[in-house]
Formats: sequence, C-alpha cells, structure tokens
Amino acid sequence: QKEVEQNSGPLSVPEGAIASLNCTYSDRGSQSFFWYRQYSGKSPELIMFIYSNGDKEDGRFTAQLNKASQYVSLLIRDSQPSDSATYLCALHDTGRRALTFGSGTRLQVQP
Amino acid sequence: SQTIHQWPATLVQPVGSPLSLECTVEGTSNPNLYWYRQAAGRGLQLLFYSVGIGQISSEVPQNLSASRPQDRQFILSSKKLLLSDSGFYLCAWSVQSGAQYFGPGTRLTVT
Repeated sequence: QKEVEQNSGPLSVPEGAIASLNCTYSDRGSQSFFWYRQYSGKSPELIMFIYSNGDKEDGRFTAQLNKASQYVSLLIRDSQPSDSATYLCALHDTGRRALTFGSGTRLQVQP
Repeated sequence: SQTIHQWPATLVQPVGSPLSLECTVEGTSNPNLYWYRQAAGRGLQLLFYSVGIGQISSEVPQNLSASRPQDRQFILSSKKLLLSDSGFYLCAWSVQSGAQYFGPGTRLTVT
C-alpha cells in the first residue's frame, strides 16, 4: 500500500505569517496529490489538488510538487486564526481507485 | 451542484447491537463511493469503496459490511457492534478526477 507521511505537529505560526506544511510519499508512480483541511469535529474539505511538478496557486494557498524528491507541500500565506485546523495530504492510488491519506498535520495560527 | 448526505449525524449504540449508516449523493451519476472511519485523533481509514451498483471492495477485514443498492446510495452495516467500532464515519464520492468529496459524517459511540 502506498504510504503518505506527515508531521503530526502541532505547527504553530503567528497570524500573518506563512505556514508551510509538508508531506512525503513512498510510491514514485503516484500522479495526483490532494490537500484537505479538517476542522475539529468536521469532515475533510478539499483545498487543492496538483498533478504536475512545480507550484499551483489558489488565493492564499500554494501547493508545491516535486516528484523526483517525492514530496508535496502546502503553503498558506497571511495565515489567519481561521486556518487553524488539521491538514491532510492524500495521493491517488489508481490501482484501488481510492485516495491514500496521511495522518495529518495540526496547524495553530496564533492571533 | 453535487451534494452528499449522511445520516444519522450522531449515534450511541450498545455493544452487540446492529448498525446501519446511510449515504446518498445528489447531482452526479455513477460516482465512486467510499466509507472511511476516523478514530479520535487519528487518520482516515478506508473501509469500503464501490465503483458501481453491487460492486464493493473491502479494505480491512472486520465486522462491518457495505452495500450499494442504488447508483447514488451507499450503506454501511454491522450485525453486532464492538467497542472498537466507535469513531467518525465518513462517506465520500468521486468521479474520474480522483478528488474525493466528503459528507458531514456520522459520529458513532459504542457503549
């Protein structure tokens, strides 16, 4: 089974700073990568997906993919207290038609 | 637009009792459907996924079962609940892109 590794945190950043969340994976064949945000007691919601090497920006969020090094990251610019949540990294396992999730990184944005 | 429903939202059941959780999706046809469980403070564990009516793939052997009687309906069942079945049960759907979209979840407590 493909593995996805994330630091559990918590990652604490001050309001207005850049939060950097990282994820590494074991399967070089993985092609699609996803970032989800999960607030405490709620279900995960999709933030971004990325398929190609490089950066993909959406508002305050930037996803970065480096397939050679097998890592994917999520940058959150101008972090807000409302960004405090657990961020889940996932990759698409085409063999199972399912996503494999990391255990998540808890982000705390301090006002 | 697509909508996913789960019910009930919360459930408290005694050990040994049966379970039935239901998930329905609106606004899409022939989706892939998934059941996940998330134990307190843990990651997402894929339980079952389905690519069509009557087609169920089981990820983890346990006392749970799943059925897909209609294209947009997915049911999770158990004949006898265990304490270890407590958790947050999430239904999700996807199409070819791989991104999964989660329902609001059912919080199950087995006492």
